[in-house]
Amino acid sequence: KQEVTQIPAALSVPEGENLVLNCSFTDSAIYNLQWFRQDPGKGLTSLLLIQSSQREQTSGRLNASLDKSSGRSTLYIAASQPGDSATYLCAVDSGGYQKVTFGTGTKLQVIP
Amino acid sequence: SQTIHQWPATLVQPVGSPLSLECTVEGTSNPNLYWYRQAAGRGLQLLFYSVGIGQISSEVPQNLSASRPQDRQFILSSKKLLLSDSGFYLCAWSPRGLNTGELFFGEGSRLTVL
Repeated sequence: KQEVTQIPAALSVPEGENLVLNCSFTDSAIYNLQWFRQDPGKGLTSLLLIQSSQREQTSGRLNASLDKSSGRSTLYIAASQPGDSATYLCAVDSGGYQKVTFGTGTKLQVIP
Repeated sequence: SQTIHQWPATLVQPVGSPLSLECTVEGTSNPNLYWYRQAAGRGLQLLFYSVGIGQISSEVPQNLSASRPQDRQFILSSKKLLLSDSGFYLCAWSPRGLNTGELFFGEGSRLTVL
Protein backbone atom coordinates (compact mmCIF):
# COMPACT_ATOMS: atom_id res chain seq x y z
CA LYS A 1 0.00 0.00 0.00
CA GLN A 2 1.39 3.39 -1.01
CA GLU A 3 2.04 5.81 1.83
CA VAL A 4 2.77 9.50 1.26
CA THR A 5 4.37 11.69 3.89
CA GLN A 6 4.90 15.43 3.91
CA ILE A 7 7.25 16.90 6.48
CA PRO A 8 7.09 19.40 8.05
CA ALA A 9 3.37 19.75 8.67
CA ALA A 10 3.78 23.50 9.00
CA LEU A 11 6.42 26.01 7.94
CA SER A 12 6.80 29.73 8.55
CA VAL A 13 9.30 31.79 6.54
CA PRO A 14 9.99 35.50 5.96
CA GLU A 15 9.03 37.02 2.65
CA GLY A 16 11.65 36.68 -0.07
CA GLU A 17 13.12 33.44 1.18
CA ASN A 18 13.58 30.46 -1.11
CA LEU A 19 12.08 27.31 0.34
CA VAL A 20 11.69 23.59 -0.27
CA LEU A 21 8.71 21.42 0.55
CA ASN A 22 9.17 17.68 0.79
CA CYS A 23 7.06 14.71 -0.23
CA SER A 24 8.08 11.09 0.42
CA PHE A 25 6.41 7.94 -0.85
CA THR A 26 7.01 4.28 -0.06
CA ASP A 27 6.42 2.55 -3.40
CA SER A 28 8.56 3.78 -6.30
CA ALA A 29 6.30 2.19 -8.95
CA ILE A 30 4.37 5.34 -9.79
CA TYR A 31 2.84 6.85 -12.91
CA ASN A 32 3.04 10.46 -11.88
CA LEU A 33 3.18 12.85 -8.94
CA GLN A 34 1.15 16.03 -8.68
CA TRP A 35 1.57 19.06 -6.45
CA PHE A 36 -1.44 21.08 -5.33
CA ARG A 37 -2.12 24.25 -3.44
CA GLN A 38 -5.12 24.60 -1.13
CA ASP A 39 -6.30 27.85 0.37
CA PRO A 40 -8.43 27.69 3.55
CA GLY A 41 -11.92 26.42 2.84
CA LYS A 42 -11.22 26.04 -0.87
CA GLY A 43 -10.59 23.28 -3.34
CA LEU A 44 -7.22 22.09 -4.59
CA THR A 45 -5.42 23.99 -7.34
CA SER A 46 -3.06 21.98 -9.50
CA LEU A 47 0.45 23.42 -9.55
CA LEU A 48 2.64 20.88 -11.31
CA LEU A 49 2.37 17.35 -12.63
CA ILE A 50 5.51 15.25 -13.03
CA GLN A 51 5.30 12.11 -15.10
CA SER A 52 7.30 9.10 -13.90
CA SER A 53 9.73 9.50 -16.81
CA GLN A 54 10.48 13.12 -15.89
CA ARG A 55 12.94 14.47 -13.36
CA GLU A 56 11.47 17.93 -12.89
CA GLN A 57 8.86 20.44 -13.96
CA THR A 58 8.87 24.21 -13.71
CA SER A 59 6.16 26.84 -13.64
CA GLY A 60 7.12 30.41 -12.86
CA ARG A 61 8.71 30.52 -9.41
CA LEU A 62 7.87 26.87 -8.77
CA ASN A 63 10.08 23.90 -9.54
CA ALA A 64 9.18 20.33 -8.68
CA SER A 65 11.62 17.45 -8.81
CA LEU A 66 11.07 13.72 -8.71
CA ASP A 67 13.46 10.97 -7.62
CA LYS A 68 11.58 7.70 -7.90
CA SER A 69 14.44 5.54 -6.71
CA SER A 70 14.57 7.32 -3.37
CA GLY A 71 10.81 7.86 -3.18
CA ARG A 72 11.07 11.63 -2.93
CA SER A 73 9.76 14.77 -4.54
CA THR A 74 10.49 18.36 -3.66
CA LEU A 75 8.66 21.56 -4.47
CA TYR A 76 10.98 24.55 -4.63
CA ILE A 77 9.44 28.01 -4.27
CA ALA A 78 11.70 30.89 -5.20
CA ALA A 79 11.43 34.36 -3.68
CA SER A 80 8.42 33.52 -1.52
CA GLN A 81 5.56 36.03 -1.21
CA PRO A 82 2.73 36.39 1.34
CA GLY A 83 0.35 35.24 -1.40
CA ASP A 84 2.11 31.88 -1.40
CA SER A 85 0.67 31.19 2.07
CA ALA A 86 -1.46 28.06 1.74
CA THR A 87 -1.36 24.33 2.32
CA TYR A 88 0.63 22.39 -0.26
CA LEU A 89 -0.26 18.78 -0.96
CA CYS A 90 1.39 16.15 -3.07
CA ALA A 91 -0.44 13.22 -4.64
CA VAL A 92 1.12 10.04 -5.98
CA ASP A 93 -0.57 8.03 -8.73
CA SER A 94 0.34 4.35 -8.47
CA GLY A 95 -1.81 3.35 -11.43
CA GLY A 96 -5.54 2.89 -11.75
CA TYR A 97 -8.25 5.39 -11.00
CA GLN A 98 -8.41 4.43 -7.36
CA LYS A 99 -4.70 4.47 -6.65
CA VAL A 100 -3.95 8.12 -6.09
CA THR A 101 -2.61 8.68 -2.58
CA PHE A 102 -2.49 12.15 -1.06
CA GLY A 103 -0.19 13.46 1.60
CA THR A 104 -1.63 15.44 4.49
CA GLY A 105 0.09 18.59 3.35
CA THR A 106 2.50 21.26 4.52
CA LYS A 107 0.91 24.48 5.74
CA LEU A 108 3.09 27.37 4.60
CA GLN A 109 2.98 30.84 6.06
CA VAL A 110 5.03 33.58 4.42
CA ILE A 111 5.48 36.51 6.75
CA PRO A 112 5.64 40.02 5.23
CA SER B 1 -10.61 26.11 -21.14
CA GLN B 2 -12.02 23.55 -18.77
CA THR B 3 -13.89 24.50 -15.63
CA ILE B 4 -15.52 22.53 -12.86
CA HIS B 5 -18.45 23.75 -10.82
CA GLN B 6 -19.59 22.30 -7.53
CA TRP B 7 -22.59 23.25 -5.38
CA PRO B 8 -23.78 24.02 -2.84
CA ALA B 9 -20.63 25.47 -1.26
CA THR B 10 -21.98 25.09 2.26
CA LEU B 11 -24.69 22.86 3.63
CA VAL B 12 -26.03 22.28 7.15
CA GLN B 13 -28.34 19.29 7.44
CA PRO B 14 -29.97 17.40 10.31
CA VAL B 15 -29.19 13.76 10.95
CA GLY B 16 -31.42 11.52 8.87
CA SER B 17 -32.07 14.06 6.14
CA PRO B 18 -31.20 13.44 2.47
CA LEU B 19 -28.22 14.88 0.63
CA SER B 20 -27.49 15.91 -2.92
CA LEU B 21 -24.23 17.51 -4.01
CA GLU B 22 -23.77 18.32 -7.67
CA CYS B 23 -20.75 18.75 -9.88
CA THR B 24 -20.49 19.69 -13.53
CA VAL B 25 -17.50 20.00 -15.83
CA GLU B 26 -17.32 22.30 -18.83
CA GLY B 27 -14.94 22.45 -21.76
CA THR B 28 -14.10 18.77 -22.06
CA SER B 29 -15.74 15.52 -23.09
CA ASN B 30 -15.70 12.05 -21.56
CA PRO B 31 -13.85 13.05 -18.40
CA ASN B 32 -13.13 10.71 -15.53
CA LEU B 33 -15.03 12.05 -12.51
CA TYR B 34 -14.29 11.64 -8.81
CA TRP B 35 -15.77 12.41 -5.41
CA TYR B 36 -13.29 12.84 -2.56
CA ARG B 37 -13.80 13.63 1.12
CA GLN B 38 -11.26 15.59 3.11
CA ALA B 39 -11.21 15.28 6.89
CA ALA B 40 -9.22 17.66 9.07
CA GLY B 41 -5.61 16.55 9.43
CA ARG B 42 -6.06 13.62 7.09
CA GLY B 43 -5.40 13.06 3.43
CA LEU B 44 -8.09 13.04 0.81
CA GLN B 45 -10.19 9.88 0.67
CA LEU B 46 -11.59 8.71 -2.65
CA LEU B 47 -15.29 7.90 -2.33
CA PHE B 48 -16.41 7.24 -5.91
CA TYR B 49 -15.08 7.45 -9.41
CA SER B 50 -16.72 7.20 -12.81
CA VAL B 51 -15.26 6.55 -16.27
CA GLY B 52 -18.54 7.02 -18.14
CA ILE B 53 -22.28 7.65 -17.94
CA GLY B 54 -23.88 5.26 -15.50
CA GLN B 55 -20.53 3.71 -14.55
CA ILE B 56 -19.82 4.21 -10.85
CA SER B 57 -17.15 2.56 -8.73
CA SER B 58 -17.33 2.81 -4.96
CA GLU B 59 -14.22 2.77 -2.84
CA VAL B 60 -15.64 3.06 0.65
CA PRO B 61 -18.72 1.21 1.99
CA GLN B 62 -21.03 3.80 3.49
CA ASN B 63 -24.46 5.33 3.20
CA LEU B 64 -23.43 7.57 0.34
CA SER B 65 -24.05 6.91 -3.33
CA ALA B 66 -23.07 8.56 -6.58
CA SER B 67 -24.63 8.87 -10.00
CA ARG B 68 -23.57 10.15 -13.39
CA PRO B 69 -26.70 10.92 -15.39
CA GLN B 70 -24.85 12.90 -18.05
CA ASP B 71 -21.31 12.85 -19.41
CA ARG B 72 -20.16 15.87 -17.45
CA GLN B 73 -22.42 15.70 -14.39
CA PHE B 74 -21.62 13.85 -11.19
CA ILE B 75 -23.94 13.72 -8.16
CA LEU B 76 -23.25 12.60 -4.61
CA SER B 77 -26.30 11.54 -2.62
CA SER B 78 -27.48 10.09 0.62
CA LYS B 79 -30.93 9.01 1.73
CA LYS B 80 -30.21 9.50 5.43
CA LEU B 81 -27.24 11.47 6.68
CA LEU B 82 -25.15 10.42 9.68
CA LEU B 83 -23.11 12.66 11.95
CA SER B 84 -19.99 10.99 10.55
CA ASP B 85 -20.85 12.27 7.06
CA SER B 86 -19.79 15.78 8.04
CA GLY B 87 -16.77 16.93 6.09
CA PHE B 88 -15.42 18.72 3.06
CA TYR B 89 -16.44 17.06 -0.20
CA LEU B 90 -14.47 17.66 -3.36
CA CYS B 91 -15.40 16.82 -6.92
CA ALA B 92 -12.58 16.34 -9.42
CA TRP B 93 -12.07 15.42 -13.04
CA SER B 94 -9.21 14.08 -15.13
CA PRO B 95 -8.85 13.54 -18.86
CA ARG B 96 -10.03 10.23 -20.26
CA GLY B 97 -7.28 7.63 -20.02
CA LEU B 98 -6.21 4.37 -18.45
CA ASN B 99 -4.84 6.10 -15.40
CA THR B 100 -5.99 9.05 -13.36
CA GLY B 101 -3.74 11.55 -15.09
CA GLU B 102 -3.80 15.15 -13.99
CA LEU B 103 -6.55 15.90 -11.47
CA PHE B 104 -8.53 19.14 -11.41
CA PHE B 105 -10.70 19.96 -8.42
CA GLY B 106 -13.81 21.98 -7.77
CA GLU B 107 -14.16 24.49 -4.97
CA GLY B 108 -15.59 21.96 -2.53
CA SER B 109 -18.77 21.60 -0.47
CA ARG B 110 -18.67 21.92 3.29
CA LEU B 111 -21.26 19.60 4.86
CA THR B 112 -22.18 19.85 8.52
CA VAL B 113 -24.58 17.26 9.89
CA LEU B 114 -26.20 18.22 13.20
